Amino acid sequence: EDQVTQSPEALRLQEGESSSLNCSYTVSGLRGLFWYRQDPGKGPEFLFTLYSAGEEKEKERLKATLTKKESFLHITAPKPEDSATYLCAVQNQGGKLIFGQGTELSVKP
Amino acid sequence: EAGVTQSPTHLIKTRGQQVTLRCSPISGHTSVYWYQQALGLGLQFLLWYDEGEERNRGNFPPRFSGRQFPNYSSELNVNALELEDSALYLCASSLDPAPAIGELFFGEGSRLTVL
Repeated sequence: EDQVTQSPEALRLQEGESSSLNCSYTVSGLRGLFWYRQDPGKGPEFLFTLYSAGEEKEKERLKATLTKKESFLHITAPKPEDSATYLCAVQNQGGKLIFGQGTELSVKP
Repeated sequence: EAGVTQSPTHLIKTRGQQVTLRCSPISGHTSVYWYQQALGLGLQFLLWYDEGEERNRGNFPPRFSGRQFPNYSSELNVNALELEDSALYLCASSLDPAPAIGELFFGEGSRLTVL
């Protein structure tokens, strides 16, 4: 069964304290792995798509990487405005998009 | 450019009632997806419409249904509401349907509370 597991469930950082979020997946043929950011009471906002192991994407303080079994979202020198829930999703061979439960990130000034 | 719009934003219903949620995709997007986000359960795929046809549905009972109109807007209907239907219902649109889903643009959701 296709599955996406994100860890940790919640992460509290001080401003400037770099860290990484993990997304482990089991999927019948990976078509793509996606990272989204979701603010409270809002819909998810697309961040990155990764298609193959070894691929990396960057946007401001965020960098996403992909291996054959997991993806990492690295946050460098985070700011309070980076506080949000970060969602990982994988697309399987059938085209279905499967989401993880997310990591709730809190960055304190 | 207007994003994905959903209505209503909040609603309260009682068990056994029926509800209709509405979604307007980004102009030019033909695919519409519906997701349920219940507390602690993450996003669960409900339905996918493209060019007016239902292309796929998730593991939800038949009382969850919907349709897509010729202008690509969509409705999600839930009959015989149950307490566990309380959730944020998210609509998303995309330019490319599966197998190349790519980037999904989400609306801000309709928060349904069932009492």
